[in-house]
Amino acid sequence: RKEVEQDPGPFNVPEGATVAFNCTYSNSASQSFFWYRQDCRKEPKLLMSVYSSGNEDGRFTAQLNRASQYISLLIRDSKLSDSATYLCVVRGYGQNFVFGPGTRLSVLP
Amino acid sequence: EPEVTQTPSHQVTQMGQEVILRCVPISNHLYFYWYRQILGQKVEFLVSFYNNEISEKSEIFDDQFSVERPDGSNFTLKIRSTKLEDSAMYFCASRDGLTYGYTFGSGTRLTVV
Repeated sequence: RKEVEQDPGPFNVPEGATVAFNCTYSNSASQSFFWYRQDCRKEPKLLMSVYSSGNEDGRFTAQLNRASQYISLLIRDSKLSDSATYLCVVRGYGQNFVFGPGTRLSVLP
Repeated sequence: EPEVTQTPSHQVTQMGQEVILRCVPISNHLYFYWYRQILGQKVEFLVSFYNNEISEKSEIFDDQFSVERPDGSNFTLKIRSTKLEDSAMYFCASRDGLTYGYTFGSGTRLTVV
């Protein structure tokens, strides 16, 4: 089983749509969880950390279910500028991150 | 906003040659990392560095790779004898001691021919 798995995508949605991304991780000892976004041929940029109680940042909501080893990201009212690849990232006891393969989102006018 | 700076942005090298990729992490950060991303694939961990020594490395980071922080500001990745399969985007990242979110540099695209 892969360490971090994500919806394969791509997701093509119209502007204004709500879209949800799912992620599962295999290591139950994982400590920290993040969503990064990556534009084509650019570096990953931190979108938000994911906390056990769930957290929201504007149009973005992240949820964590430790029992199911599942993370989600909800984007409401999609904008054209949200088009990117969304990376689920997990940290174990060590310092390094394990990246999921990413889910590509295209928001269409 | 503070940035992680990487140079060069693109390097082309012949197979078997040595390359050094350079990074200037954010000045008050304590933890430094190298990741790579082969085109179309996921981001993969190479090595982490703290307190002037390697703290973790992956199986990718074999004897051909080394890292150094020679002067307290630069953080370099050296590949001694490049192979075709080393062609990838190499990202440097750093973080402070308080949070776990990294800041990535814009990457060096290494092309081995």
